[in-house]
Amino acid sequence: GAGVSQSPSNKVTEKGKDVELRCDPISGHTALYWYRQSLGQGLEFLIYFQGNSAPDKSGLPSDRFSAERTGGSVSTLTIQRTQQEDSAVYLCASSLDRPDLVMLRQYFGPGTRLTVT
Amino acid sequence: ELKVEQNPLFLSMQEGKNYTIYCNYSTTSDRLYWYRQDPGKSLESLFVLLSNGAVKQEGRLMASLDTKARLSTLHITAAVHDLSATYFCAVDVNTGNQFYFGTGTSLTVIP
Repeated sequence: GAGVSQSPSNKVTEKGKDVELRCDPISGHTALYWYRQSLGQGLEFLIYFQGNSAPDKSGLPSDRFSAERTGGSVSTLTIQRTQQEDSAVYLCASSLDRPDLVMLRQYFGPGTRLTVT
Repeated sequence: ELKVEQNPLFLSMQEGKNYTIYCNYSTTSDRLYWYRQDPGKSLESLFVLLSNGAVKQEGRLMASLDTKARLSTLHITAAVHDLSATYFCAVDVNTGNQFYFGTGTSLTVIP
């Protein structure tokens, strides 16, 4: 079956522009996660959705970052007024559930490489 | 903030040899996860360890968790070239969004 897909695969944007990153999870997966990976910060957990709800948004790096999920499926991560430090690979993953906040086996998308110039 | 330390950071080993990667963390948690990342690729989930003494094995990899020592190990048995990758551990503290990755261990298996 289809895995997790992300789009675009690469995005180059100018500092100050807004960008929107998309994640399509595996069908039927209720839990969805966003991470980012950069040389400077390593791997960071950003946000988690259970269904359409994100119980805690404190992992987002700043108020320029927002995320939403609609219909229990597609999720978008939006970065407003991008800065050079936002350059990273943004990874999305999904899993069947997250019972009692336990992460079951996650399936990762290929990532979106964001470069802010 | 929870700290997650892996060692070694870089590991070069010969095919057929055994080795262990260590993951230490700085606060109480009984949830530990291992991932693999091939160069230029995304992450792959390897193991989910959810209690003290948990042991999981898949192929030549075996992971264990000692929550009292705040230590997880990833043991490699009779390494083969296909195991060359970067391995990450990650810990969460049961709060929903406090989830921290280790620095990663870059493993190269030499024929």
